[in-house]
Amino acid sequence: GAGVSQSPSNKVTEKGKDVELRCDPISGHTALYWYRQSLGQGLEFLIYFQGNSAPDKSGLPSDRFSAERTGGSVSTLTIQRTQQEDSAVYLCASSLHPGNTEAFFGQGTRLTVV
Amino acid sequence: KNEVEQSPQNLTAQEGEFITINCSYSVGISALHWLQQHPGGGIVSLFMLSSGKKKHGRLIATINIQEKHSSLHITASHPRDSAVYICAKASNYQLIWGAGTKLIIKP
Repeated sequence: GAGVSQSPSNKVTEKGKDVELRCDPISGHTALYWYRQSLGQGLEFLIYFQGNSAPDKSGLPSDRFSAERTGGSVSTLTIQRTQQEDSAVYLCASSLHPGNTEAFFGQGTRLTVV
Repeated sequence: KNEVEQSPQNLTAQEGEFITINCSYSVGISALHWLQQHPGGGIVSLFMLSSGKKKHGRLIATINIQEKHSSLHITASHPRDSAVYICAKASNYQLIWGAGTKLIIKP
């Protein structure tokens, strides 16, 4: 597609359930980032993928969070045993190369844990 | 101290005013990004700067590498410019965000 696509756009889940969020980056972009933005907060870095290198997971808030990127393209962010504090907008971005080229963002997935 | 500092945090202005948002960062960068986040949450990349100045429509972004400072200017501001403007530096492979500047343009 022309831009970064995320799905679903909205997700309401019960506390304790697992959720999967999907990101389709722009074709050919080697760098993919996941961020989240909690209500009233700034953007929080979660995880970064670059090509076939091991991802930088330093921003993941707990071991309930994991992400993978298959074939260097689509990425899924999985949150296990969701908690209410996981409620946030989860944003995905991709760029042609890491850091020094323009980053393009998806519209985000709004996750609400009830 | 945050690696990326923005000012002001909030800015309210009248339509037509010239707007300046400032960004300072504490260590060297490979590039600096300006992003716009509308109330609906979507984020749009406005500029990516390594040096000098860029202009797109009524938006102008400048960067001074020696002073580790960048500014985003909006000329002839309009209510549709109301949004949160975010400065983010590219360092190695991460994007390090500022806290954002919430801009409100009143008609």
